[in-house]
Amino acid sequence: ETGVTQSPTHLIKTRGQQVTLRCSSQSGHNTVSWYQQALGQGPQFIFQYYREEENGRGNFPPRFSGLQFPNYSSELNVNALELDDSALYLCASNIAGALTDTQYFGPGTRLTVL
Amino acid sequence: AQSVTQPDIHITVSEGASLELRCNYSYGATPYLFWYVQSPGQGLQLLLKYFSGDTLVQGIKGFEAEFKRSQSSFNLRKPSVHWSDAAEYFCAVGEANQAGTALIFGKGTTLSVSS
Repeated sequence: ETGVTQSPTHLIKTRGQQVTLRCSSQSGHNTVSWYQQALGQGPQFIFQYYREEENGRGNFPPRFSGLQFPNYSSELNVNALELDDSALYLCASNIAGALTDTQYFGPGTRLTVL
Repeated sequence: AQSVTQPDIHITVSEGASLELRCNYSYGATPYLFWYVQSPGQGLQLLLKYFSGDTLVQGIKGFEAEFKRSQSSFNLRKPSVHWSDAAEYFCAVGEANQAGTALIFGKGTTLSVSS
């Protein structure tokens, strides 16, 4: 148990639709990162939010966007879904400012795009 | 660009035997290195991490890893494997930023344990 929760557990969408995934971080963790894990691959860094602002982004297009709220919750939004967006989406939280701080992962949301 | 290579896609080990999972990284500066484990339907759990100091790092569940700068490696070891260790193992390198690190993962190694 990491104290990081994600919802929903599973989600099925069709190509072109929009989706919102949610994450609840550990209390006191002011940084959240999102990762995409395609089947048989390692997680890929999408972006990171710190104090409600985007702090870094991986190689993902602008249709992937996020929000972070003061109550330690956050969202990942994906517009114009494509088949290749089918993956496990993981969020991870940590306390900023300590480079040695551990990122704690949630169980993930499995997104299927048909 | 930073990258992580896990050369072994799938490894099978007998219960009670020793284990070594390989990880090679490419990073310009001193790397922050991690090993995570993922069981089916679960998120990622941190086994151990290296930032500086002693190159032999102890982790949870009896795992250890050794950082070898000359070989750009951070191999994970366990002296005696248990059936419950069967899972997917990921090596990662951390890219430091203002808020911590963004993790770059390898493709993972699937560990099967035979009885």
